[in-house]
This record gives sequence, structure tokens and C-alpha cells, in this order.
Amino acid sequence: DTGVSQDPRHKITKRGQNVTFRCDPISEHNRLYWYRQTLGQGPEFLTYFQNEAQLEKSRLLSDRFSAERPKGSFSTLEIQRTEQGDSAMYLCASSLEGISDTQYFGPGTRLTVL
Amino acid sequence: AQSVTQLGSHVSVSEGALVLLRCNYSSSVPPYLFWYVQYPNQGLQLLLKYTSAATLVKGINGFEAEFKKSETSFHLTKPSAHMSDAAEYFCAVKRNTGFQKLVFGTGTRLLVSP
Repeated sequence: DTGVSQDPRHKITKRGQNVTFRCDPISEHNRLYWYRQTLGQGPEFLTYFQNEAQLEKSRLLSDRFSAERPKGSFSTLEIQRTEQGDSAMYLCASSLEGISDTQYFGPGTRLTVL
Repeated sequence: AQSVTQLGSHVSVSEGALVLLRCNYSSSVPPYLFWYVQYPNQGLQLLLKYTSAATLVKGINGFEAEFKKSETSFHLTKPSAHMSDAAEYFCAVKRNTGFQKLVFGTGTRLLVSP
């Protein structure tokens, strides 16, 4: 059973550049989530997809952030005009719609903005 | 709204000693509760979950947690700590219907000394 995978694992960029992260969920899972985790904190919810539809977005997700899930499979998270405050671990999780809807997390992408 | 409070940002135990990590939750509707573990520079791994069945939940690696509605608590325990248990532990809450995001606590770092 292949778990959630994320690419890249690490990304270093300069302020003002655009970055894109990819998440591949567990194959049969129809729900996909993005979270952000800063140092010393728990993950914070960013957005959630059910199949290809983006159903919820946190107010943490500014206009510079956009997420897609074409065809309800993998997802991408793009950050435009990165700022130093965007430095964080970006975590992806997936779940199968059902009774407990347990979310399984990927290894994360650590973003450093210089 | 839902929230989680984890008492103690750091807990230190000796190898072989009892592990007790505290989690109190607030939820306006019946909750689902989760414990995740995170090793350095990795994603979150599910330890156990409460989904309104048995109030005493057993998880992986010898961990268990008890849901106590009267105390709004979901403390994590393990009878005998191993060196390999040293990690960051996160408690999380989710509504049992509707909106699917996990709300995490700030985490407790478990230190295990020989």
C-alpha cells in the first residue's frame, strides 16, 4: 500500500519567486487536504478537496496561494511572490470518505524563503 | 468551534517509565479525536483515533488513550517508554459530521532518557 507522497521534500527559494508543490494521495482516497506547519506549532488547515472540487479554504490562504486537484487525483499548491513568512512545512493528507474519515499524512515539503 | 489544549510543551521520562501526554478538547458537537506522532523532518503518523465507539482506544507501538466526556479529555498513555518513542506528539479534534478539517494542539515533545 503506497502512502501519501509529496514532491519536492525541500525547496529553497528567494523572496518574490513562485513555487509549486505536488501531492499524490493514497490511490483510492477521494479527499485531499493541505496543512501548513511552522516551527513549534501544530499543523494548520489550509484547504480541502473532495474529488476535484475545492470545498473549503482557510482565511490563512491568501490570494497568493492557489491549489488545484485536476481530475480528482494529485494536487498542486502554488505560492506566488513568496515572502519570508511563507517559510514552513507544507503537509498534504488524504482520506476516504466514510465513518471516521481518517486523514493520512505525507512526509511534507519544507519551504525556506530567503 | 473546536480547539485542543495540550498541557506541557515538553515531557521528560526515563526509559521504562510511564508516559502520560495530556490533551483537553473543546467541541460544540460530538468530536472525533486523534493522536499523531511526528519524528524530525517527517510527516505525521497516526497513533490512534476515537470515533464514538469504545472509549478506551488502543493504538500502535503500545499507546492507548481514553475518551472522557465529563472531563473533555483524551490523554495518551504508554506503560513503559522506549528510547524510540522520543518524538513530537499532536492531539487533534474533528467534527463527526460536516466540515472535515483537523484542529491540532501545539504539540508535546517527549524526551526519553536512558
